[in-house]
Amino acid sequence: SAVISQKPSRDICQRGTSLTIQCQVDSQVTMMFWYRQQPGQSLTLIATANQGSEATYESGFVIDKFPISRPNLTFSTLTVSNMSPEDSSIYLCSVAVDSSYEQYFGPGTRLTVT
Amino acid sequence: AQKITQTQPGMFVQEKEAVTLDCTYDTSDQSYGLFWYKQPSSGEMIFLIYQGSYDEQNATEGRYSLNFQKARKSANLVISASQLGDSAMYFCAPDTGRRALTFGSGTRLQVQP
Repeated sequence: SAVISQKPSRDICQRGTSLTIQCQVDSQVTMMFWYRQQPGQSLTLIATANQGSEATYESGFVIDKFPISRPNLTFSTLTVSNMSPEDSSIYLCSVAVDSSYEQYFGPGTRLTVT
Repeated sequence: AQKITQTQPGMFVQEKEAVTLDCTYDTSDQSYGLFWYKQPSSGEMIFLIYQGSYDEQNATEGRYSLNFQKARKSANLVISASQLGDSAMYFCAPDTGRRALTFGSGTRLQVQP
């Protein structure tokens, strides 16, 4: 298994500001993912973050709004830029364990934008 | 695009009884996996069980089992002997090889004493 931590666990931010969310995993993994879960909704994939390459964004998500870094095999950050109340969501990172079907999620970051 | 259908927005079950949560998916891929996750009110996503499309036996993990019907493209989660702590949202998600998951809309399960 993989143990994943996220910082911060929650935050309340003002519109127009940016927040960077950190994701740390206790083992090296090639593939990391960022998901968004809007209130009352299911999870939606924002992007895939592989070490050593640019993140791959899903339709409806752009790098200027959600820049991602993946400096090594155990760490990634997601920035939510120029926030609006519509960005209020839970943001979750997940990892796919190499050479296994296993996929695990971090505890999530609960973001409220006022 | 994949389509994952969870037809039960909400379910109630009495404590100690079994409950089945439905999931159907639409994929033309022959090789895939199917995940079920539990999300309590805290928001974390807890991995429950996985079924590979080529697995001949239905997957089981403790009180969780899958009723996997490949021809019908369904993978229903069965929770036996429900406990109050099982109250949560439950999501199914197929993995067709890209490792990123597409989730169904979820089922909210409430276990009643």
